[in-house]
Amino acid sequence: NAGVTQTPKFQVLKTGQSMTLQCAQDMNHEYMSWYRQDPGMGLRLIHYSVGAGITDQGEVPNGYNVSRSTTEDFPLRLLSAAPSQTSVYFCASSYGQGWSEQYFGPGTRLTVT
Amino acid sequence: AQKITQTQPGMFVQEKEAVTLDCTYDTSDQSYGLFWYKQPSSGEMIFLIYQGSYDEQNATEGRYSLNFQKARKSANLVISASQLGDSAMYFCASTRGTSYGKLTFGQGTILTVHP
Repeated sequence: NAGVTQTPKFQVLKTGQSMTLQCAQDMNHEYMSWYRQDPGMGLRLIHYSVGAGITDQGEVPNGYNVSRSTTEDFPLRLLSAAPSQTSVYFCASSYGQGWSEQYFGPGTRLTVT
Repeated sequence: AQKITQTQPGMFVQEKEAVTLDCTYDTSDQSYGLFWYKQPSSGEMIFLIYQGSYDEQNATEGRYSLNFQKARKSANLVISASQLGDSAMYFCASTRGTSYGKLTFGQGTILTVHP
């Protein structure tokens, strides 16, 4: 199993550009989430999904869109990048039933200039 | 909303000694989960240990144990026999009820292990 994969690893955008961060998992997990990590602030939940076709907002959803058309994939779209979105982005997945650890991807380091 | 507080920005420990990393949480939920994750300098998030709010025994995983004091709303991580490879950032996190896809994280504690 590849686990949770994220692409790209690094990305530089100009203010106003849009892009999609890709996330995929091959563990048949129901739950998938996106977090951002800023220095000194820990990780904060952006959006999450409890299954294909079902998504909901987390703590910091503004400026981001998600969709979940398959169990495996959960892309995160930046609609119009802003310098405040410079961060490290982590995708995570977990089983839906009972408690389960979240498996994190390796992260995407995004810089918006 | 839940809140996780880690009051120790940085901790130092001598190799082979034990260290406790503090975590307090603020929730009105009866059912919740508490997690600890390790983030080494390479950046990946590594799951260490989990404690459910209804678990009466403290969780243990190898050299890691979670000192769960429900009345005080604390969930401290104890690392026994520290190793140089334990040097990393450590995050405490919690979930509400069975919403395990939604973690609330603390700000983290940087642990440095000295030889």
